[in-house]
Amino acid sequence: QSALTQPASVSGSPGQSITISCTGTSSDVGGYNYVSWYQQHPGKAPKLMISDVSNRPSGVSHRFSGSKSGYTASLTISGLQAEDEADYYCSSYTSSSSYVFGTGTTVTVL
Amino acid sequence: QVQLQESGPGLVTPSGTLSLTCAVSGGSISSDYWWSWVRQPPGKGLEWIGEIYLSGSTKYNPSLKSRVTISIDKSKNQFSLKLSSVTAADTAVFFCASGSDYTWNTWGQGTLVTVSS
Repeated sequence: QSALTQPASVSGSPGQSITISCTGTSSDVGGYNYVSWYQQHPGKAPKLMISDVSNRPSGVSHRFSGSKSGYTASLTISGLQAEDEADYYCSSYTSSSSYVFGTGTTVTVL
Repeated sequence: QVQLQESGPGLVTPSGTLSLTCAVSGGSISSDYWWSWVRQPPGKGLEWIGEIYLSGSTKYNPSLKSRVTISIDKSKNQFSLKLSSVTAADTAVFFCASGSDYTWNTWGQGTLVTVSS
């Protein structure tokens, strides 16, 4: 199984909105509404930000939102803050009863 | 609040078997969760290794399936990972994680395992 495709980097100024894409196939992103997004700061464990395409766990800022269209899922961060600077990974359940992660996106706050 | 802690050797010799354990605290491993392993080579992305349910049912990454065994020890409230025939390409930070409904909401801090002679 191939990793889901994400842009290597996305940047924005404080207060702006940015969107990270996650493109897969009909066997993963396109076939299931089981896409999650994780935030990872350097040297730390990943943190769940979005589950099931668009569900935000308790405690996660409302500035984070998720969506999906066809084979591409997206994570939007609105009102960008310095603390949002991190790596972001999507993941999807697959038709092989397994999981695949995205290639990862580094978010930089200018 | 469930907490996870990985443990095991930080150095494994090539062609050997990597063995890690994930201790579960603040909850029972018999809870309705899947217990997973994820790895991250230095400077690279995340890779799902596999997971186990309290019944002992397992799912593995197809690319690693021939070398991976995940087991669960209810008496010790922990689960384990064995990865055989390791090479330098298996050097990574290994995370244990747990969750339900196709996502992982709890992660261990991770442990670095280096494959080298």
